[in-house]
Amino acid sequence: EDQVTQSPEALRLQEGESSSLNCSYTVSGLRGLFWYRQDPGKGPEFLFTLYSAGEEKEKERLKATLTKKESFLHITAPKPEDSATYLCAVQGGAAGGTSYGKLTFGQGTILTVHP
Amino acid sequence: GAGVSQTPSNKVTEKGKYVELRCDPISGHTALYWYRQSLGQGPEFLIYFQGTGAADDSGLPNDRFFAVRPEGSVSTLKIQRTERGDSAVYLCASSSRHGPGYEQYFGPGTRLTVT
Repeated sequence: EDQVTQSPEALRLQEGESSSLNCSYTVSGLRGLFWYRQDPGKGPEFLFTLYSAGEEKEKERLKATLTKKESFLHITAPKPEDSATYLCAVQGGAAGGTSYGKLTFGQGTILTVHP
Repeated sequence: GAGVSQTPSNKVTEKGKYVELRCDPISGHTALYWYRQSLGQGPEFLIYFQGTGAADDSGLPNDRFFAVRPEGSVSTLKIQRTERGDSAVYLCASSSRHGPGYEQYFGPGTRLTVT
């Protein structure tokens, strides 16, 4: 069974204070690791997909990296508008299998950036 | 362009009643997913459709839950004999194809409260 664990559960930063969020996973045949951002009362918003160990992707102040066991979301010089819950999810399974396509999510990290 | 839409945004019902939740995916997206999110948790997979057929319904918690997508576009999640434990946000997502690495785009969710 696929499993995802995110840490820390909550993170408070001062504006401009860089940090990282961790996503540890176990999956049978990783097909993709996804990062989403979720604001209160809204659905998750897609950020990145990573496919293989060593891959990195960037978007504004965010950078996602992937190893064989975990992924990190690095936040550089965060601003208050970066405050949100960040969700990590994995997609696994063999091609044509019944679990192919569904996402297994972690519980999320609640990020608060103070001005 | 238009994203995934869900109606109603909020639904309050009494224990034992029947409810229907609707999802309109992004136009042209063939894969559609339903997830359930409890407070403080990540989304939990329920079912997904590729076209009109349910490709994987392994996440449906019991036979009170049922979903349809008769014309391969709009989907309805149906819950019979609702219980207080069914209270959660029900999220719908769609992707342009079913398979590895295709990001899923989420709607705003329907908040279901069973009293």
